[in-house]
Amino acid sequence: AQKITQTQPGMFVQEKEAVTLDCTYDTSDPSYGLFWYKQPSSGEMIFLIYQGSYDQQNATEGRYSLNFQKARKSANLVISASQLGDSAMYFCAMREAWYSSASKIIFGSGTRLSIRP
Amino acid sequence: SQTIHQWPATLVQPVGSPLSLECTVEGTSNPNLYWYRQAAGRGLQLLFYSIGIDQISSEVPQNLSASRPQDRQFILSSKKLLLSDSGFYLCAWGRGRHTDTQYFGPGTRLTVL
Repeated sequence: AQKITQTQPGMFVQEKEAVTLDCTYDTSDPSYGLFWYKQPSSGEMIFLIYQGSYDQQNATEGRYSLNFQKARKSANLVISASQLGDSAMYFCAMREAWYSSASKIIFGSGTRLSIRP
Repeated sequence: SQTIHQWPATLVQPVGSPLSLECTVEGTSNPNLYWYRQAAGRGLQLLFYSIGIDQISSEVPQNLSASRPQDRQFILSSKKLLLSDSGFYLCAWGRGRHTDTQYFGPGTRLTVL
């Protein structure tokens, strides 16, 4: 069963607008971590933001925030005041089995975000 | 600070030829190491991960193999490449704790003709 679902294959947003990228996940592990990565056309994977399953507050990193709704198993990425440089693929990811030294991060299929000037 | 290197950056190989991609990490010790493959326009598929020297776990059975001859060196190999091996190969390192992210190398773009 797919554990990370990103239902938006592509999005177009006007520059300076806020954008929300959707992510839902599935796990029975009470302890897990959620991540968002950005992949520009160069191919590098850039870590953006992290949210732990026990964190009481939504994570924020500059213009990025993670809207964490635990009961709905949702971890949407919000980018405020979008910029042209935000155009990229965005991946949601989850780490389960945190207690294992070999715990792995699994990735969603990604959302391609395009910012219009 | 930690850095991760991959080479080569791009590679074009004929079907049936061997493959060796190298990944090295600097500035840390005993990292967890990972090999991912990304097909064009797709997400990341975990191929192998390693929690220590000569400790390799395979996620997907295929004609690829991985080795970790040194603490901070991770090698992806194949004896005979297939067309389906084409893709973008990313190496990553991490600590394995649930709060820790993985940090990725620049990747190798492999085209098998």
